[in-house]
Amino acid sequence: KQEVTQIPAALSVPEGENLVLNCSFTDSAIYNLQWFRQDPGKGLTSLLLIQSSQREQTSGRLNASLDKSSGRSTLYIAASQPGDSATYLCAVRGWDSNYQLIWGAGTKLIIKP
Amino acid sequence: DGGITQSPKYLFRKEGQNVTLSCEQNLNHDAMYWYRQDPGQGLRLIYYSQIVNDFQKGDIAEGYSVSREKKESFPLTVTSAQKNPTAFYLCASSGQHNQPQHFGDGTRLSIL
Repeated sequence: KQEVTQIPAALSVPEGENLVLNCSFTDSAIYNLQWFRQDPGKGLTSLLLIQSSQREQTSGRLNASLDKSSGRSTLYIAASQPGDSATYLCAVRGWDSNYQLIWGAGTKLIIKP
Repeated sequence: DGGITQSPKYLFRKEGQNVTLSCEQNLNHDAMYWYRQDPGQGLRLIYYSQIVNDFQKGDIAEGYSVSREKKESFPLTVTSAQKNPTAFYLCASSGQHNQPQHFGDGTRLSIL
């Protein structure tokens, strides 16, 4: 059964730093992997989606990588800003279970001004 | 603007009462989902629907019911059989499997 883990659960860094968020999964047979952002009391916003055949995706200051063989994905945030403060969740879509998403519990990121 | 609308934003349930959460999308997506989010946990799938008039149970369907009579609408009923309904409920939709899910702003359900 696929399991998705995000460590650490919380992270606090000064503004301007580059940082990496981690996501690990136990079954490498995935269809795609997605990174989402959630602001307090809000829904989720899709940030990046990486297909199983891809190694990375970029959007602005965000770069997500995927290494299926090691069961890992990282979300790199360059030049962090206070507005980046949010909870970041990753989700893996498998080839079975009707392509359902399996979710990590998220990393709560705080960027200190 | 296309998107997903969930209502109400806050909902209170009395013991023994059924309550219905609304979810409407104008993205022309075939698939719709209901998730439950509890503090410190990942999202858990309650029900999903890949086409009108068809839906499947997710991991935690007990105590919940849904309908999908229209492509745009996927309401969730939290029945009195759900003994621990206090949570944040999120509705999502998607097109093809290789496309991201889009989410509404959620409904927070509490017990009176």
